[in-house]
Amino acid sequence: QVQLVQSGAEVKKPGSSVKVSCKASGGTFSSYAISWVRQAPGQGLEWMGGIIPIFGTANYAQKFQGRVTITADESTSTAYMELSSLRSEDTAVYYCASTMVRGVINWFDPWGQGTLVTVSS
Amino acid sequence: AIRMTQSPSSFSASTGDRVTITCRASQGISSYLAWYQQKPGKAPKLLIYAASTLQSGVPSRFSGSGSGTDFTLTISCLQSEDFATYYCQQYYSYPRTFGQGTKLEIK
Repeated sequence: QVQLVQSGAEVKKPGSSVKVSCKASGGTFSSYAISWVRQAPGQGLEWMGGIIPIFGTANYAQKFQGRVTITADESTSTAYMELSSLRSEDTAVYYCASTMVRGVINWFDPWGQGTLVTVSS
Repeated sequence: AIRMTQSPSSFSASTGDRVTITCRASQGISSYLAWYQQKPGKAPKLLIYAASTLQSGVPSRFSGSGSGTDFTLTISCLQSEDFATYYCQQYYSYPRTFGQGTKLEIK
């Protein structure tokens, strides 16, 4: 059974960048997509983008294009999400989530535990 | 982007009730729809995918139906642990999008 464990909470200044990690264990990492979904305080879920490690290229939501970079390191079974030019509106819990169907980004299960990113001066 | 609209946004119900949540897509998405349950401070949990396929381990009181643009999630007999927020999500096209959520509260 695949488990996803994310890095810890971050506090960042406006204009800076944050990089959150998501380490997978218990399954085959390369063939299954990892997506990043964020949730602002009291708000709903927002898909930012995803990557299928064996393919190497990421698919991004247009809203975040140019500001987000999603990568995957097959050697450590870890995915990363880097968000740049941070603003207060980026304060949110960031989740990684997998799609346990080979080669596609469909529904999301399992999920990581979430990483709170706070952007504040 | 495909817009997903859930109704109602919130409502109250009692243990033992049968409840239905609706999700409407702004364009046809065939059966490429999933439902999630989220409790405060926790990650979402997948309940249903492909509009009506129950995820392993999810109680059979949960069911999903629909295709095209209109979908429903039904909980046949509410239990105390079902009070949570529910989200639909389409995976027909990119970007993947979620509904705004339906908060189910205890009456």
